[in-house]
Amino acid sequence: SQKIEQNSEALNIQEGKTATLTCNYTNYSPAYLQWYRQDPGRGPVFLLLIRENEKEKRKERLKVTFDTTLKQSLFHITASQPADSATYLCALERTYSGYSTLTFGKGTMLLVSP
Amino acid sequence: EAQVTQNPRYLITVTGKKLTVTCSQNMNHEYMSWYRQDPGLGLRQIYYSMNVEVTDKGDVPEGYKVSRKEKRNFPLILESPSPNQTSLYFCASSLTGFNEKLFFGSGTQLSVL
Repeated sequence: SQKIEQNSEALNIQEGKTATLTCNYTNYSPAYLQWYRQDPGRGPVFLLLIRENEKEKRKERLKVTFDTTLKQSLFHITASQPADSATYLCALERTYSGYSTLTFGKGTMLLVSP
Repeated sequence: EAQVTQNPRYLITVTGKKLTVTCSQNMNHEYMSWYRQDPGLGLRQIYYSMNVEVTDKGDVPEGYKVSRKEKRNFPLILESPSPNQTSLYFCASSLTGFNEKLFFGSGTQLSVL
């Protein structure tokens, strides 16, 4: 069956360090993968999209990699700040009957301490 | 301001009493979707709609109905709510549904007693 796995344990890091979050998947062949940020009780907010033919994508302090051979995406936040504390979700494209939709992982909580 | 608007924000109801959660977007998006979020289970898709002519089930459609009579609106209908439908619900939209980012509403916290 199709699975998206994100580390269920919270990641605790110190301010200024680089946070690295992992998204592994099985039985998917996504054309693209997305990362979202979610704060408690609020809707997810889009961060980055990376396509299958892209190895890496950057946006300010954020970097995403996409390895279709390993079936893995890594999400990095450099120079992390307490304001980066949130839950981060990866989402994969899935095709139903020729239509495309997004399926989300359960997310990893990031806690950045001062 | 471009946004997805859900109403109500909070809803408490009783088992069996039909309810509708509204969702509207002002971005002329073709694609809309409903998710529910539960602790330990993450975001799970209920229904999605590629456009006003195409609506299909997601992963957890049982007990829900949707309607897409016009592009901007995508209401979620619970005809006979049960306690296991107590959850945080999100509506989302994107321009085409292909290779596009999703815009989410603020969420509806539903409690079924």
